[in-house]
Amino acid sequence: GEDVEQSLFLSVREGDSSVINCTYTDSSSTYLYWYKQEPGAGLQLLTYIFSNMDMKQDQRLTVLLNKKDKHLSLRIADTQTGDSAIYFCAPMFSGGYNKLIFGAGTRLAVHP
Amino acid sequence: GAVVSQHPSRVICKSGTSVKIECRSLDFQATTMFWYRQFPKQSLMLMATSNEGSKATYEQGVEKDKFLINHASLTLSTLTVTSAHPEDSSFYICSALPTGTDTQYFGPGTRLTVL
Repeated sequence: GEDVEQSLFLSVREGDSSVINCTYTDSSSTYLYWYKQEPGAGLQLLTYIFSNMDMKQDQRLTVLLNKKDKHLSLRIADTQTGDSAIYFCAPMFSGGYNKLIFGAGTRLAVHP
Repeated sequence: GAVVSQHPSRVICKSGTSVKIECRSLDFQATTMFWYRQFPKQSLMLMATSNEGSKATYEQGVEKDKFLINHASLTLSTLTVTSAHPEDSSFYICSALPTGTDTQYFGPGTRLTVL
């Protein structure tokens, strides 16, 4: 089946930029999403990118898509302590039904 | 906009009982909703796709007689865990797809503990 891989942990200093990386196998994904999960909570949609785009910027968030390498990244500028959470990369499964394929999630820790 | 609620947020039940979890889209209609299960410090596992007015589509390995899904209206889907056992203890999360769109919005999750 299709697979999504993310590094499990990332630690950054407050004010620095964070870059969370993701690789996936479904080359036909049309939409690729980033969700954020805080402890004990559901998932919050952060942003998404359409597969015909290379980059999308939304305030402090920048998404880069390298379709050839099947690599997606999320950059958070000026990272704050409130950004500490788990970040999930979730390409939409091209086989239909709007299913999402989730990575294991990257735990971002922001320290002073 | 695009708010999804779940009820209850936490439930503790005895082994052998059934538990119903509700998922509601509060400010939009959703022909399709999804039910996920999440184990501690793990990713989300899709259990089933719930379609309004029709039978749910279950993922491989998910027992449809144990996890009953009903999607009776465009704003409500329910998941009933029947004859719950301790191994059913988990965090259950639903998502809803606004009709005509491709983006899922997630509920806050329900923590089920079976004693």
